[in-house]
Amino acid sequence: LAKTTQPISMDSYEGQEVNITCSHNNIATNDYITWYQQFPSQGPRFIIQGYKTKVTNEVASLFIPADRKSSTLSLPRVSLSDTAVYYCLVGGGRNDYKLSFGAGTTVTVRA
Amino acid sequence: AAGVIQSPRHLIKEKRETATLKCYPIPRHDTVYWYQQGPGQDPQFLISFYEKMQSDKGSIPDRFSAQQFSDYHSELNMSSLELGDSALYFCASSRRANQETQYFGPGTRLLVL
Repeated sequence: LAKTTQPISMDSYEGQEVNITCSHNNIATNDYITWYQQFPSQGPRFIIQGYKTKVTNEVASLFIPADRKSSTLSLPRVSLSDTAVYYCLVGGGRNDYKLSFGAGTTVTVRA
Repeated sequence: AAGVIQSPRHLIKEKRETATLKCYPIPRHDTVYWYQQGPGQDPQFLISFYEKMQSDKGSIPDRFSAQQFSDYHSELNMSSLELGDSALYFCASSRRANQETQYFGPGTRLLVL
């Protein structure tokens, strides 16, 4: 059973806001939600992590509803350089520290 | 800021040869993870070490072994290489306490001919 489900791809234009929603119906009580970004032939790069409600940093915002069964990564005012694969991961609870990557979302930003 | 260092960055081997990949974690990070990413695929967890002891094991073939040394660097040893082992191999490091995030290295691209 997949731990997370997210759209395969999303298209956007420069300057727009991109919202990627991830479903994680079986999230455990102690699990965190973490998003990574990966460019071709590069290692995944940490974007943001949260447990509940809303988290914001200089790059993105993460919205987590009260039931924690989904989360939404929000990328404000994307640019061409934001074209990448975005992975939603849940874990960290019950001493499970490894990252289990599912199918990420390929975001393509056009001029 | 210091990042995860991996060497070599590129490696070409022939079938049935052996390869050793090295990973140098970020200073003061006590945990190292290895991931394999085949062409067009998502990263897959192989193995991890915490304080020099194996802490978790994923889909790592029996032909592969790994260890973490006293200086916290790690090596992934791969024997009897197969064509299907051609992939990007990423190392990541973290501090286990407080759910700290994993920081990935640039990867080693292994090509088996």
